[in-house]
Amino acid sequence: GAGVSQSPSNKVTEKGKDVELRCDPISGHTALYWYRQSLGQGLEFLIYFQGNSAPDKSGLPSDRFSAERTGGSVSTLTIQRTQQEDSAVYLCASSLVGTGNGNTIYFGEGSWLTVV
Amino acid sequence: AQSVTQPDIHITVSEGASLELRCNYSYGATPYLFWYVQSPGQGLQLLLKYFSGDTLVQGIKGFEAEFKRSQSSFNLRKPSVHWSDAAEYFCAVGAGSGGGADGLTFGKGTHLIIQP
Repeated sequence: GAGVSQSPSNKVTEKGKDVELRCDPISGHTALYWYRQSLGQGLEFLIYFQGNSAPDKSGLPSDRFSAERTGGSVSTLTIQRTQQEDSAVYLCASSLVGTGNGNTIYFGEGSWLTVV
Repeated sequence: AQSVTQPDIHITVSEGASLELRCNYSYGATPYLFWYVQSPGQGLQLLLKYFSGDTLVQGIKGFEAEFKRSQSSFNLRKPSVHWSDAAEYFCAVGAGSGGGADGLTFGKGTHLIIQP
């Protein structure tokens, strides 16, 4: 597609439920990132996929968070047993390769998650 | 590990006045530096980036930024702001050394308010 596409754009869920957030990166981009943006905060790195390499999960805040990337393209971020503190905007981004090679990271419009 | 500081949480500027948003970074080597803008309810849009070469970089929407290694700064400027510039501005540094550091580390953002 022309840009990074995320769905759903908005999600309200009850505490304790599981949620899945989807990201469709720009075609041909091998690097995919998930970030979390909480109210009044900057962007917090969650996880990074690069090609077929093992993902860097160092930013995931707890074992309730997981992500996968199927076929090197679409990615799903799963939050199990959601808590109110999980309420945030979850931003997905992609780039041709990592920024170390000078490529720009392009962001989607985010999935706004509200846990009630 | 790299870090980014945006010392101003909020800045208010009159329409037509000049603007400077401050950004300081901490990184051991030559950084890759970025400024992104986020309008309400939107994802992040890249304004400009610095990888190497000329330390004064031009971006979209009339913005520019200057990389000053001696001050570890990458301040964003615009000579005359428009009401449509009201948004959240994020400075980011990319390390490119692999793993989660191959993405971006963001500052907490500066909220720009434009007075008529």
